[in-house]
Parts: sequence; C-alpha cells; structure tokens
Amino acid sequence: DTAVSQTPKYLVTQMGNDKSIKCEQNLGHDTMYWYKQDSKKFLKIMFSYNNKELIINETVPNRFSPKSPDKAHLNLHINSLELGDSAVYFCASSQSLGTSGGSVYGRGETQYFGPGTRLLVL
Amino acid sequence: LAKTTQPISMDSYEGQEVNITCSHNNIATNDYITWYQQFPSQGPRFIIQGYKTKVTNEVASLFIPADRKSSTLSLPRVSLSDTAVYYCLVVIAAGGTSYGKLTFGQGTILTVHP
Repeated sequence: DTAVSQTPKYLVTQMGNDKSIKCEQNLGHDTMYWYKQDSKKFLKIMFSYNNKELIINETVPNRFSPKSPDKAHLNLHINSLELGDSAVYFCASSQSLGTSGGSVYGRGETQYFGPGTRLLVL
Repeated sequence: LAKTTQPISMDSYEGQEVNITCSHNNIATNDYITWYQQFPSQGPRFIIQGYKTKVTNEVASLFIPADRKSSTLSLPRVSLSDTAVYYCLVVIAAGGTSYGKLTFGQGTILTVHP
C-alpha cells in the first residue's frame, strides 16, 4: 500500500548505457515530479507532469526523457549515461496543480516522495 | 542569482527547542513555504506548510515574517529520532515570466545528542 513507489531501488551500470526508472503513485494525484539529489544532498527538480502533460522541464540534458503513460505513472529514461548522472533520483506526486496568482504551482501543493532510486554509473 | 539558503548543520540536545531558518529573498507572491524532513535512505517527508504569520501542527511550528523573505521551522523538545536533514521548499519568482522555479534549500543536517 505504498503511496509513491519507485523501481529499481538500486541501479549500477556502465557509462554509455541506457536505463529507465519507474514511478507509480496510488494517491489519485494529478501531478508528478522527478528530482535529482546529488552527493551533497542538494535536491533539484528535473521535470513535472500534470495529467500526463509536461509542465516543468528544468535545464536537464535531453538524454533524460520522462514519459507519463497515465497520471499514476511517471517514468524516467536516461540515454548514454555519464558519470555525473550518479545520484539519487526521487519521484514525487501532489494532489493537483493550480494556477492561482500566475504560479504554475498553485497554493499548498504538498508533495509525497518515493523512496528514491540510487543510480551509480561506473 | 536568487536562491534559498539554510544553515548547513545544527546540533542540539534532547528536550531542547530547535529553530532552523531559511532565507528566500525572491519568493513568489502567491506560493506557500513548505518544510520537509529526510532520514537516510528515504525520500523527504512533509512536516509543515504556511503562507504567512504562524502555523502550528502536532510536530512543529512555522514562523513567517510579513515580508516572507525568510521562514523559521521550530521543533519543540527534540528527541534523538529528530536527527535528520530538514529542507525548506519555496517557489522563487522568475522575473518577467508567470511561473516561478520550485527551489529547495540546501538542507540543514540536525543532529540531536543524548
């Protein structure tokens, strides 16, 4: 009955490979996110989808391609993995995405995070 | 470059009150300030959220001054299990555009000692 789940939990791979991380939420939320947490524990947003539509794409290399087959799933595919991609990737979801006051985030959108996927590129 | 800043680390003892402040000079007008807690090998977990003045729930209080350029998370009577990393999350206004940038602070490592 995990609210936000990610697979795999650990991923060790070679440079140049292509890999995918899957995320599922059973909270009925409309909005999902991908974050990257580096070795210094900085959390940076990568992407956000609302009802399967991409709404945030921060300055992430185009080797990273999110895909949302339905609003309960947001997968992250990474092509040509590089050493610098090693990090913990977190998926999150929130109830919805308002547009009050001109902000794409609306007000009061609590995010629920998955347990993370630890990616190590060798 | 607008950013969100927090102290890197803090130490406390069981039973004490801990206050962690986050500075966010360029916070977007209409967005909330949210604080998260993260234990090792887990995802961040929601603690508290507010827009202005003071908010209190069963685990923490959040103080936000009128200008909203900072916020202070207050943990009353901490215990060893409160040892974790604490993050503030705000939307930083992106001047000239409608949408801001969702930005976490760099996190404060709180260590509670017996």
